[in-house]
Order: sequence, then C-alpha cells, then structure tokens
Amino acid sequence: NFMLTQPHSVSESPGKTVTISCTRSSGSIDSNYVQWYQQRPGSSPTTLIYEDNERPSGVPDRFSGSIDSSSNSASLTISGLRTEDEADYYCQSYDSNIQVFGGGTKLTVL
Amino acid sequence: EVQLVESGGGLVQPGRSLRLSCTAAGLSFADYAINWARQAPGKGLEGVGVIGTNPLGATTEYAASVKGRFTISRDDSKSVAYLQLNSLKTEDTAVYFCSLLFQLMPRKPPVWGRGTLVAVSS
Repeated sequence: NFMLTQPHSVSESPGKTVTISCTRSSGSIDSNYVQWYQQRPGSSPTTLIYEDNERPSGVPDRFSGSIDSSSNSASLTISGLRTEDEADYYCQSYDSNIQVFGGGTKLTVL
Repeated sequence: EVQLVESGGGLVQPGRSLRLSCTAAGLSFADYAINWARQAPGKGLEGVGVIGTNPLGATTEYAASVKGRFTISRDDSKSVAYLQLNSLKTEDTAVYFCSLLFQLMPRKPPVWGRGTLVAVSS
C-alpha cells in the first residue's frame, strides 16, 4: 500500500503559473499511471490529465502533467491562471487496480 | 454524448443495506472497467473498489475499509454496474461516484458520473 501526498493549498495570481506536486510514499511513481482531476464545489471530478501527461480533448493546453522519478512524484502545472481555475485538484494512481487519491489541493487564484 | 448516472442513494439506518446503480449511455460499456469512489462531506476522495471487464473475468477488488461489506457487480446487457452496500456504518456517509476506465488501446480519459449521496444515520 502507498499514499499520495499533495500540498493542502496553493495560491497564485491571475496570469501566473502554479505547480501542484503529488508524492508517492512507497513504490515507484512510474509503476502506475497518474491522473489529475479538477473538482469545483458541488460538482463531480473532471479529468484534466490521464496516463501521466495525456490531456483529454477540450482541456486547455494550459494544463500539463509530468512525472519525476528522482523525487518519486507527479506534478500538475497550470499556466496563464484564470479565476475559473479556482477549485480542488486531486492526483490519483492505482494500487491493485483500486484508485488511490491524494488528499487534494485547494487552488486559490487571487 | 457519453452519460454516466449514479442512482439509489438515500438515508438509511446503521446496519441496513443499499444498492447503488451506475448507468452508462453513449459508450461500449463492456470495454470499460468500473471504479467506485466516495467523498465524505467536506473531505477528499477515497477509492472504494473496482470491477474489471468480463473477458478478464470481471475481477473485483475492494478497499480495506469496505471489504466484506460492499460488493460490485455489472450487467453489460443493461450497461449498468452496481455497488451493494451491506452492514452500513455512519462513517460510510458520503457521495458515491462511479467512473469508467477504457480497457482497450488507445486509452481514453476516465469518465465520471455526478454521484449519489448515501447518508447513514439513526
């Protein structure tokens, strides 16, 4: 079993770039694909990134995902921040095919 | 258009049972593994379990917190998956989401439903 650790919150100004980290506690980060989800209050999660760095059609290229084996972590980078990006963001991987989620990061754009 | 709808949630007493449904439209349901996750009020997401596709034996896996109490099944002829919740506890109170993961290549992004609320209280 492993855990995924995210910062509880991050904040940045409109137009800037922010990176949210997701660190795997044990086992290699690249042994299972990582997904990233955005969740606005009262709504279900939507897929921003799947299979580490793939972006669904309709998701702006301001959103990108990456993996860093040296730090055993995944990252979500959002460039050109907009006020509508304010939301909770979750990373997710798999353990015996069951979804394992990070604790979520609240992004504030101010 | 792909649609995924969860249903069957409600208020239930501790120790009782409930069956949730996850109904899909607009996709080839049989080609998807189905994940169930939940989110307690004001908390983060928690994986509950998964069922694979029938050609692979429709294998199920469960989180330790629900193993032995929850059961996932699927009916590909109706494009529906089920989550049977037995021996419910107050800590099972959450919004339950299903999400579908395409099992063939090339992969597709996971699809999520809107969730259904389960409240366990006496």
